[in-house]
Amino acid sequence: NAGVTQTPKFRVLKTGQSMTLLCAQDMNHEYMYWYRQDPGMGLRLIHYSVGEGTTAKGEVPDGYNVSRLKKQNFLLGLESAAPSQTSVYFCATTGSSYEQYFGPGTRLTVT
Amino acid sequence: AQRVTQPEKLLSVFKGAPVELKCNYSYSGSPELFWYVQYSRQRLQLLLRHISRESIKGFTADLNKGETSFHLKKPFAQEEDSAMYYCASRGYGQNFVFGPGTRLSVLP
Repeated sequence: NAGVTQTPKFRVLKTGQSMTLLCAQDMNHEYMYWYRQDPGMGLRLIHYSVGEGTTAKGEVPDGYNVSRLKKQNFLLGLESAAPSQTSVYFCATTGSSYEQYFGPGTRLTVT
Repeated sequence: AQRVTQPEKLLSVFKGAPVELKCNYSYSGSPELFWYVQYSRQRLQLLLRHISRESIKGFTADLNKGETSFHLKKPFAQEEDSAMYYCASRGYGQNFVFGPGTRLSVLP
């Protein structure tokens, strides 16, 4: 029972490059979230999903896209990376108890 | 719109001293409030939530609707309490809002 996993753990991109972050969960949770964590800003919600095939914008969605083709996976895409997207990205899931379960994070640097 | 504030970026206390981490929220309805903790090199995890009214690791938090606050308290801090603490609220739907976090440092 791995819980919530994220790949990759670290990544360095050049400005303009694209990449996809994968979040996978084996908890059978309906709700999944992508956050970014920046010093002094806390966690800010990028996008979230309330079920397979659904996505919704959070607080800071610009520059990101998401997809939830399977219930257990939630993908976060950066089509054209910018230095402002340097951050630590966390995936989380929530079940009926509304407790959020977090992944270990992905540290992304855009140069 | 929901908003969660944590006025202290860093809080330093000595071991055995009382701790209070402040959290204020703004939400027109009845929010559900949480405290999450992130220890060094670990993922965020739930510490407590207001509806359960539990005491976890000696921490408690009381929802004060009049002051729109949900401060986290512990009577005697331990060195292992040093961590980053986030207050969060769940309002309408499944949208969660986190505060900016407070780093607690417990000195020996």
